[in-house]
Amino acid sequence: SQELEQSPQSLIVQEGKNLTINCTSSKTLYGLYWYKQKYGEGLIFLMMLQKGGEEKSHEKITAKLDEKKQQSSLHITASQPSHAGIYLCGARHGSSNTGKLIFGQGTTLQVKP
Amino acid sequence: NAGVTQTPKFRILKIGQSMTLQCAQDMNHNYMYWYRQDPGMGLKLIYYSVGAGITDKGEVPNGYNVSRSTTEDFPLRLELAAPSQTSVYFCASSSGLGWDTQYFGPGTRLTVL
Repeated sequence: SQELEQSPQSLIVQEGKNLTINCTSSKTLYGLYWYKQKYGEGLIFLMMLQKGGEEKSHEKITAKLDEKKQQSSLHITASQPSHAGIYLCGARHGSSNTGKLIFGQGTTLQVKP
Repeated sequence: NAGVTQTPKFRILKIGQSMTLQCAQDMNHNYMYWYRQDPGMGLKLIYYSVGAGITDKGEVPNGYNVSRSTTEDFPLRLELAAPSQTSVYFCASSSGLGWDTQYFGPGTRLTVL
């Protein structure tokens, strides 16, 4: 099994609906990053969470970190076609900054107009 | 700012051929990384570097080599291409200061036939 598991693996929602993507770690989280990738393109940084209970928002996307559960969630409110893509979480599993991240397998999101 | 650039964007290789994937960043970042992305597998770290002249192996280094002679450039070398190296390759960089963010290039799609 992977050190970082994302669920669901894929998601199809109707435009305007809310959705949540989860990222669960098998090890202690020292930092959690969310990225978005459009097909054929690189990864775009969305947010970083570092402290337990931390919550950040950018436009209609909110990410939370539950340190006790070693889990992060990404919530999109009132989804739009522009939200479609692959969402990846990346984790730091060490307290020192080695720079290395472990990534989940990604969640593919389709938004139907 | 160009950020992280990668060349080429696409390449088809025959088994046994060699090639170098180029990566450059103009953000004066100390840390640089090479990942490969396979469908449904997320990103796997191949090699990383914390500064010019310093490189280290990631999760999947076999079949690859790297060098870092300057801060800006971090080329990835495939010596004897194999079908298992068919993948999308991403280069990334980060400052290495505190809980920094990795910035990704657009990727190189490599097919080995």
